[in-house]
Amino acid sequence: LAKTTQPISMDSYEGQEVNITCSHNNIATNDYITWYQQFPSQGPRFIIQGYKTKVTNEVASLFIPADRKSSTLSLPRVSLSDTAVYYCLVGDNNNAGNMLTFGGGTRLMVKP
Amino acid sequence: DAGVTQSPTHLIKTRGQHVTLRCSPISGHKSVSWYQQVLGQGPQFIFQYYEKEERGRGNFPDRFSARQFPNYSSELNVNALLLGDSALYLCASSFTGDGNTEAFFGQGTRLTVV
Repeated sequence: LAKTTQPISMDSYEGQEVNITCSHNNIATNDYITWYQQFPSQGPRFIIQGYKTKVTNEVASLFIPADRKSSTLSLPRVSLSDTAVYYCLVGDNNNAGNMLTFGGGTRLMVKP
Repeated sequence: DAGVTQSPTHLIKTRGQHVTLRCSPISGHKSVSWYQQVLGQGPQFIFQYYEKEERGRGNFPDRFSARQFPNYSSELNVNALLLGDSALYLCASSFTGDGNTEAFFGQGTRLTVV
């Protein structure tokens, strides 16, 4: 399985845009990139998934360069409630929905 | 519509005891997966079941076992509890066992072994 590397923690202020970059140098052809968000004492929540280029939904955007060796989760105008741990996952069609491999995640702290 | 529900929410057990954790998936979801999350770390995959068959198993000892029932609910059993089994146990359900289908997680069961 491709290993992911992301910053351990990040700080931001309300209203700012936050970009969290994940490195996945060994990503395979069939692998998708998925981001989950987790609040304390809750299960992770799916945010966004992509294969290449850019994906946008009502919550975030995901930027994936052509070589797919990294990806960037972009959270526009964060609020205090976006304080959470964000996980970048890489998996193929057989695993992505279920046998998920989580790394350590990025702990985002949004300050007033 | 109810999300993934897990019971109990909290549990305290003594070393050597046995524990059973329960999970009800979202209605219509046929796949259930179990994860262990130790404080400060990401969730670690334990088991996946789809249509009552075990589809995958993570790197956990044989003290951990699970099953899925005809109504797609699932149980995780842990025997001979160790202090290191203290963790948040998460259940996730998805519609199918394949493909890039989104996994929906429950709130988890907080297990403390003393």
